[in-house]
Amino acid sequence: DAGVIQSPRHEVTEMGQEVTLRCKPISGHDYLFWYRQTMMRGLELLIYFNNNVPIDDSGMPEDRFSAKMPNASFSTLKIQPSEPRDSAVYFCASSLKLAALSYNEQFFGPGTRLTVL
Amino acid sequence: KNEVEQSPQNLTAQEGEFITINCSYSVGISALHWLQQHPGGGIVSLFMLSSGKKKHGRLIATINIQEKHSSLHITASHPRDSAVYICAATYNDYKLSFGAGTTVTVRA
Repeated sequence: DAGVIQSPRHEVTEMGQEVTLRCKPISGHDYLFWYRQTMMRGLELLIYFNNNVPIDDSGMPEDRFSAKMPNASFSTLKIQPSEPRDSAVYFCASSLKLAALSYNEQFFGPGTRLTVL
Repeated sequence: KNEVEQSPQNLTAQEGEFITINCSYSVGISALHWLQQHPGGGIVSLFMLSSGKKKHGRLIATINIQEKHSSLHITASHPRDSAVYICAATYNDYKLSFGAGTTVTVRA
């Protein structure tokens, strides 16, 4: 398996523009997570899905952020309009539920480095 | 709030030295994860444990549930071990709460 795939790997945009980040989880995984990493705040969970359904979006910073998972093999994180403070590395991760456990190893994608000028 | 605290923030060691990174968490957890992030930025899961001890090569992770504390040990450290090591906790769901990370530098 190719692992978790994210695109683009780098994105530079101007303030006010719409940004769409993409993620393809590992085939068969039923959990998908979006994280943001900054120097100031470290890694933070933005939202996660189970079987394509958003379970917890309490980490989404504001209405400018939205995430979708239209099918089991694709998810998007959209920022509209983007602001300089959104500059960060955005990671996608996927996981497979193990029966009777409320946790499992997460596999991370390579991340998308977003710079908003 | 589910807090995860790591120490030290930075650590420099000479090649061959034994390294310990500590992690404490505030309330009961389902599992404790140790992640490694190399300078290129990729994040890899090293260990996931809910009790006892796990070993993989020169890496050892331990957890003490009563004391709400976990440690990551690197034996016979090598420059290629230089990375950021992140402790994360899973509580009653699949979400990870992250520590701030420990930057480890191993000098040859």
